[in-house]
Amino acid sequence: DSGVTQTPKHLITATGQRVTLRCSPRSGDLSVYWYQQSLDQGLQFLIQYYNGEERAKGNILERFSAQQFPDLHSELNLSSLELGDSALYFCASSPTEETQYFGPGTRLLVL
Amino acid sequence: GEDVEQSLFLSVREGDSSVINCTYTDSSSTYLYWYKQEPGAGLQLLTYIFSNMDMKQDQRLTVLLNKKDKHLSLRIADTQTGDSAIYFCAESGGSYIPTFGRGTSLIVHP
Repeated sequence: DSGVTQTPKHLITATGQRVTLRCSPRSGDLSVYWYQQSLDQGLQFLIQYYNGEERAKGNILERFSAQQFPDLHSELNLSSLELGDSALYFCASSPTEETQYFGPGTRLLVL
Repeated sequence: GEDVEQSLFLSVREGDSSVINCTYTDSSSTYLYWYKQEPGAGLQLLTYIFSNMDMKQDQRLTVLLNKKDKHLSLRIADTQTGDSAIYFCAESGGSYIPTFGRGTSLIVHP
């Protein structure tokens, strides 16, 4: 158990819908990262927050957004969902810049 | 852009050593990582090496880094069935955001 929690574990929704994925980092970790893992793209970095502020942006679509709240939990919002958005979404947190601890992921299926 | 490549599959017999290889292209890599992903789980950080090191050993795991050839390897001694998983190589530069390979599925058979 990495100490990073993600909810929900599974999510099934329809195209065009909007969903919110939630992540609670390990106690004391200020940084939160979001990743998407799919068969065709592999593991792709989406976005990083540090203590409430966006720090780095990766291959995140405009239909996706994230935020980190004062209690350090983070949410990833995915809107106008397409079939191709079906993937595993991981959150990670880090105590130091060189190490990341991953949560168990949210499996999203868009039908 | 940065690229990390690794072979897709490796099959070994229980008790043998496994060696998983990885190559990367970013010459400014600062840290190189090995992660393990078991079915239905997230990625678990196994070990990492700073780019000015060429070897790191941690119990059954040995990481070798050849910076000149941009080649990283992970050796697992006395491989057990519980080591069956997908192993991801990753590298990070100044931003400390890892770029991951596609993963190597390690299959351990009796």
